Amino acid sequence: AQKVTQAQTEISVVEKEDVTLDCVYETRDTTYYLFWYKQPPSGELVFLIRRNSFDEQNEISGRYSWNFQKSTSSFNFTITASQVVDSAVYFCAPDSWGKLQFGAGTQVVVTP
Amino acid sequence: DTGVSQDPRHKITKRGQNVTFRCDPISEHNRLYWYRQTLGQGPEFLTYFQNEAQLEKSRLLSDRFSAERPKGSFSTLEIQRTEQGDSAMYLCASSLLEARGYTFGSGTRLTVV
Repeated sequence: AQKVTQAQTEISVVEKEDVTLDCVYETRDTTYYLFWYKQPPSGELVFLIRRNSFDEQNEISGRYSWNFQKSTSSFNFTITASQVVDSAVYFCAPDSWGKLQFGAGTQVVVTP
Repeated sequence: DTGVSQDPRHKITKRGQNVTFRCDPISEHNRLYWYRQTLGQGPEFLTYFQNEAQLEKSRLLSDRFSAERPKGSFSTLEIQRTEQGDSAMYLCASSLLEARGYTFGSGTRLTVV
C-alpha cells in the first residue's frame, strides 16, 4: 500500500510567479513510477510528467521541472512563470504495478 | 487515436435505481482501469482489467458494483441499488501493459438524489 501526502491544499499566485508543489509518498516497492497529473475545471486528468524510481536526475520540460529525491521520498513539481491557464488541481501519484495512488491534490490559482 | 471515451458524461438517478457506465479505451491499450473521485479528493482505484480478465478489485468496490470488459475492448461499470454515497465522478483510464503511462477519460459524473 502507498500513501501520498500533498500538504498544500491551495496555492495562489500572480501570473509569472513560480509555483512549487510538494509531494511526499510512502511505498514498500523498490521499483515504481511517479506521476504528476493536472485536473482543470473541465475535470479531465491531464498527464504532465513521469519519473521512474531508478532515475533521480531532475529535468526541465518547458515550464515544468521536478525534483525527485528517493532518500526522502519526495517528488516536488515546479511551474515556472505561471499562467492563468495553469489554474487547476495538481495530483501527485506513485504507481505500483498498474495502480495509481493519488494524493488529495493541490489547488493552484493563478490570477492575472 | 481518439483518446478514452466515457458515456454518459453526466447521470442523475434516484436512490435505489441501477446505473451503467461505459468506457471505450484507446484501441491498442490492453489495460483498463476504473477510478472514483469524490469532491475535494484525489481519484481512488476501483478495479482494472488486462484484456478481458479482471485482475484486481479494491475493497471500495462493494457487492453492488460490477465491472466487465467483454472481448477485451470496451468496459462497463454497473452500480445496483444506488445510494447517495455513490455520488462521485467515475473515471476510466487505459494503458499499454509495459508503457506505464495512463490516459484518462473525461469521466462520468453520477448524482444520486
